Amino acid sequence: EPEVTQTPSHQVTQMGQEVILRCVPISNHLYFYWYRQILGQKVEFLVSFYNNEISEKSEIFDDQFSVERPDGSNFTLKIRSTKLEDSAMYFCASGPDGSYEQYFGPGTRLTVT
Amino acid sequence: GNSVTQMEGPVTLSEEAFLTINCTYTATGYPSLFWYVQYPGEGLQLLLKATKADDKGSNKGFEATYRKETTSFHLEKGSVQVSDSAVYFCALSDRGFNKFYFGSGTKLNVKP
Repeated sequence: EPEVTQTPSHQVTQMGQEVILRCVPISNHLYFYWYRQILGQKVEFLVSFYNNEISEKSEIFDDQFSVERPDGSNFTLKIRSTKLEDSAMYFCASGPDGSYEQYFGPGTRLTVT
Repeated sequence: GNSVTQMEGPVTLSEEAFLTINCTYTATGYPSLFWYVQYPGEGLQLLLKATKADDKGSNKGFEATYRKETTSFHLEKGSVQVSDSAVYFCALSDRGFNKFYFGSGTKLNVKP
């Protein structure tokens, strides 16, 4: 069964460094998403992406964040200058048609020290 | 706005016990409701869903009924197994939008 994959599973970085979290969505899906979960808190929507552009973003998704689909298979989330409060689990999801049908990856745990 | 509140965990049960995990929501529109499950080391998996009032979603012995009058979507299972140990997330997706609002998750531990 096709699944969404994410790498790395755990990333440790120093404050101020740039990180790129990678996702490989399900191959025939057209809609892509990032969510995050700070430890002990809710899973929060960050951004949705369709047709090579952001379709919606939350207030969390400020200028420090960017997304890209560089090669037709990967979907990346970049954090330009990480802060301590960026430490969280980041989930990628993809969907075929922009409906509630979204498939989630296993997450990348980002730790900023 | 939209939000989901679910009971704090962890919930610890013995095998074959009855499970209820409470979930209530607030929504500006007319949402669809979901339960997701996350097993250790894995992604969020859709467990069940309900798209309109009084709908009952069910899967793998779990069920939840969309109650508009009480804005609730409680998850139940009559007899839990050790293999049900996981974190359960209640979520909503508001009509016209394609993003989810999640609860904070409830960890279930089932002991043999």
